[in-house]
Amino acid sequence: RKEVEQDPGPFNVPEGATVAFNCTYSNSASQSFFWYRQDCRKEPKLLMSVYSSGNEDGRFTAQLNRASQYISLLIRDSKLSDSATYLCVVNMYNAGNMLTFGGGTRLMVKP
Amino acid sequence: GAGVSQSPSNKVTEKGKDVELRCDPISGHTALYWYRQRLGQGLEFLIYFQGNSAPDKSGLPSDRFSAERTGESVSTLTIQRTQQEDSAVYLCASSNDRALPYEQYFGPGTRLTVT
Repeated sequence: RKEVEQDPGPFNVPEGATVAFNCTYSNSASQSFFWYRQDCRKEPKLLMSVYSSGNEDGRFTAQLNRASQYISLLIRDSKLSDSATYLCVVNMYNAGNMLTFGGGTRLMVKP
Repeated sequence: GAGVSQSPSNKVTEKGKDVELRCDPISGHTALYWYRQRLGQGLEFLIYFQGNSAPDKSGLPSDRFSAERTGESVSTLTIQRTQQEDSAVYLCASSNDRALPYEQYFGPGTRLTVT
C-alpha cells in the first residue's frame, strides 16, 4: 500500500461546480498535512496547510480526519484557472521532517 | 522575498557525460530536498539535507548520483555518466525546520534531457 494515496482522476467539471478530492495516508504518526498544486510543466506550489480543526481559504476548504487517516480538499465555484494537479502531502516528523507526496489528482475545469 | 532558485533551467547533455545542477534555497531555510519528476509521473524523493546532520540519501537511485550542501546554503546535485533514463525535471525544495508546520517551497526545476 502506498503511503499517500489519491485518485489520479481526471476530474472533469464545468465552471462553477463544486469538486472534492480525498486522500488517504497510511502512517498514523503523520503530523502535518498539506495540499499542493502543480500546473503542467511547473513546480508544485503550496496551496494550503491542513489543520486538525479544518481550514478555509476563499473557495478552498481542507479537512483532516485523523481517525480514518484521510484528508480532503473542497473547491467551490470552480474556475478555469483551477485546472491543475492537486497533490496531497504528509509530513512525518519522526522521519526527519520529510514530506511524502501522493501521486496527485488531476482536475480539469471546462467552460 | 526571493524564492528557491535553480540553475540551469534546461540542460541537454549527451549520454555518458556528467552534469551538475545547482539549487539556492530560501535564505534561513535549514532543510533542503532534491526530487526527480519524470514526464507525467509523480515526485520521486532523492536526498534530504537538514542543517549539519548527515544527509538522508535513501532516495538516490544509483551511485552515479551524489549531492552536496555547504552549511545551510547552496546545494549541487551531480549525475555522473548520464543515461537516457535520467531525463527528467530535477526539483529542489527548502523549508524552515525551526518552525511548524515545515512547508516546503519548490524551485522552478532543471529540465534535464539526455540524448
